[in-house]
Amino acid sequence: DVKVTQSSRYLVKRTGEKVFLECVQDMDHENMFWYRQDPGLGLRLIYFSYDVKMKEKGDIPEGYSVSREKKERFSLILESASTNQTSMYLCASSLEGYEQYFGPGTRLTVT
Amino acid sequence: AQTVTQSQPEMSVQEAETVTLSCTYDTSESDYYLFWYKQPPSGQMILVIRQEAYKQQNATENRFSVNFQKAAKSFSLKISDSQLGDAAMYFCAYRRYAGNKLTFGGGTRVLVKP
Repeated sequence: DVKVTQSSRYLVKRTGEKVFLECVQDMDHENMFWYRQDPGLGLRLIYFSYDVKMKEKGDIPEGYSVSREKKERFSLILESASTNQTSMYLCASSLEGYEQYFGPGTRLTVT
Repeated sequence: AQTVTQSQPEMSVQEAETVTLSCTYDTSESDYYLFWYKQPPSGQMILVIRQEAYKQQNATENRFSVNFQKAAKSFSLKISDSQLGDAAMYFCAYRRYAGNKLTFGGGTRVLVKP
């Protein structure tokens, strides 16, 4: 079974803090994704990585950066967290051209 | 840019009955994939069903089936014999044929009444 894990289920941070969300997959997938999920808006792609050290902006990259130093790990970074980044964050991975497998999500609250 | 629209924020169904969720999309591509994902309260997104646009036959997975109308750009999901475990958010998603990015609709919450 494909397993995608995320470092935290719930996270509370203060405005201005640097926040790291970690995602690890165990199936040697080359593609990894970070989504943000908000009520009524569905999931929106923040960043996408198709190989180690390679990344591509999604639909809403502003205020976020990513890092992929190893194939199995993809990190989402909020350089200076703001209240409008309070959301559910979902990580996913896939083989090229195949379905995406999702992690359980991290619910981030920025106060 | 592709867009996906789910016009029903919430649907309610009696256990053992059938419910149909609507999804429309906009694209200029001729080849693409469409998906329905389920997200139960645990938060884990699970793929329910997939449809290739070049296939005329509607996809079916046990109690889940789709009605794919390519000309109308419509992709509805039918859940038959609804069970309590079907209660979840359901998301429709689009992906270009030669691509990896998914575009999601806003979701439909399904409530199942015992």
